[in-house]
Amino acid sequence: GESVGLHLPTLSVQEGDNSIINCAYSNSASDYFIWYKQESGKGPQFIIDIRSNMDKRQGQRVTVLLNKTVKHLSLQIAATQPGDSAVYFCAEVGGGTSYGKLTFGQGTILTVHP
Amino acid sequence: KAGVTQTPRYLIKTRGQQVTLSCSPISGHRSVSWYQQTPGQGLQFLFEYFSETQRNKGNFPGRFSGRQFSNSRSEMNVSTLELGDSALYLCASSSQGGNEKLFFGSGTQLSVL
Repeated sequence: GESVGLHLPTLSVQEGDNSIINCAYSNSASDYFIWYKQESGKGPQFIIDIRSNMDKRQGQRVTVLLNKTVKHLSLQIAATQPGDSAVYFCAEVGGGTSYGKLTFGQGTILTVHP
Repeated sequence: KAGVTQTPRYLIKTRGQQVTLSCSPISGHRSVSWYQQTPGQGLQFLFEYFSETQRNKGNFPGRFSGRQFSNSRSEMNVSTLELGDSALYLCASSSQGGNEKLFFGSGTQLSVL
């Protein structure tokens, strides 16, 4: 479905804690998923991606988990830092060739307190 | 390597006017996509261009159009502006535009008065 974002979920953590941001996606045929970070006044910045033939992928301080059974995606950020404060979006690409079309989730506001 | 560049950064227009936004993709990227971001609707796909051809289009009225040049630079145009067109317009580029990650510019903030 299309992204709807009237009231974004929020997550507030202390510096050094681990953060988990969740996302439910809509299309069971989606085969590629991306997490983006958007800071105020900037465009979305790529964090990590995962294809549907995987259930886990790790990057630097970040891990993405994919559960296709319940159509759920999560982003784990280890040792969260104040610079991680931003809005985080999951995005899915439907089955087949998308030609530039990502369907974004509503986003989650992460606030990290020093 | 320079990122995706969008101009202008801010724009103020009045209802009924038209506007043209510009996007230069990352060097070597041939696919350019456009998105509209609003607080109420979030990020929504407008259209995608590759080799000067529109390959995909979202659910927006015909007032929204775009084009791509032979150097992969792209422009989008909105005619007969409405108050509801106020939004952040984001351009993204990728190598081929298939199922791959997109790299976004910082956007053009359009305000329609």
